[in-house]
Amino acid sequence: GNSVTQMEGPVTLSEEAFLTINCTYTATGYPSLFWYVQYPGEGLQLLLKATKADDKGSNKGFEATYRKETTSFHLEKGSVQVSDSAVYFCALANAGGTSYGKLTFGQGTILTVHP
Amino acid sequence: SQTIHQWPATLVQPVGSPLSLECTVEGTSNPNLYWYRQAAGRGLQLLFYSVGIGQISSEVPQNLSASRPQDRQFILSSKKLLLSDSGFYLCAWSVQCFSGNTIYFGEGSWLTVV
Repeated sequence: GNSVTQMEGPVTLSEEAFLTINCTYTATGYPSLFWYVQYPGEGLQLLLKATKADDKGSNKGFEATYRKETTSFHLEKGSVQVSDSAVYFCALANAGGTSYGKLTFGQGTILTVHP
Repeated sequence: SQTIHQWPATLVQPVGSPLSLECTVEGTSNPNLYWYRQAAGRGLQLLFYSVGIGQISSEVPQNLSASRPQDRQFILSSKKLLLSDSGFYLCAWSVQCFSGNTIYFGEGSWLTVV
């Protein structure tokens, strides 16, 4: 079955530090990959996505590249801000069949950025 | 534009009481609909999904049920709540077909069973 593994948190950084949150996956076929963000007290918002190998998703300074050879989709940001403090979820959706559109999530990584 | 709403936002229910969480989507037709749960300190787990009216698929055995009485309405229910049902419940929708389509989430409902 599908699975997503994220690096364990919490991750604590100073403002303007470089961020990497690792994500690896196991899936059949060619899944689509997503990063969602959950700010305190809110629901989930899509941060970025990639639908095929070597695609790079980007948004709000965050980037992630779909690496099929290493089955990874690591999230990066060059300079984090206090407002980036949130929980980040890596997820995948399988292609085709009865699995259309359903997401399998990683366990989430809590990011705290200090001034 | 499309919007998704779910309610209530917060509720505290005693063990053994019934539950009804409602979710509606506006601005789209024939969406896929989903219920996810986020238990404290854990990731999100898909509970149910629906590809059409009256069509419900359950992902995990549990004390909950789902119904889709209208195209853009999705309801999560329980006849008798358990303590382990506590958590953050998220309704979501996506366009039918193509796994690369984004899944959009509602604001979530916090359920505490006491």
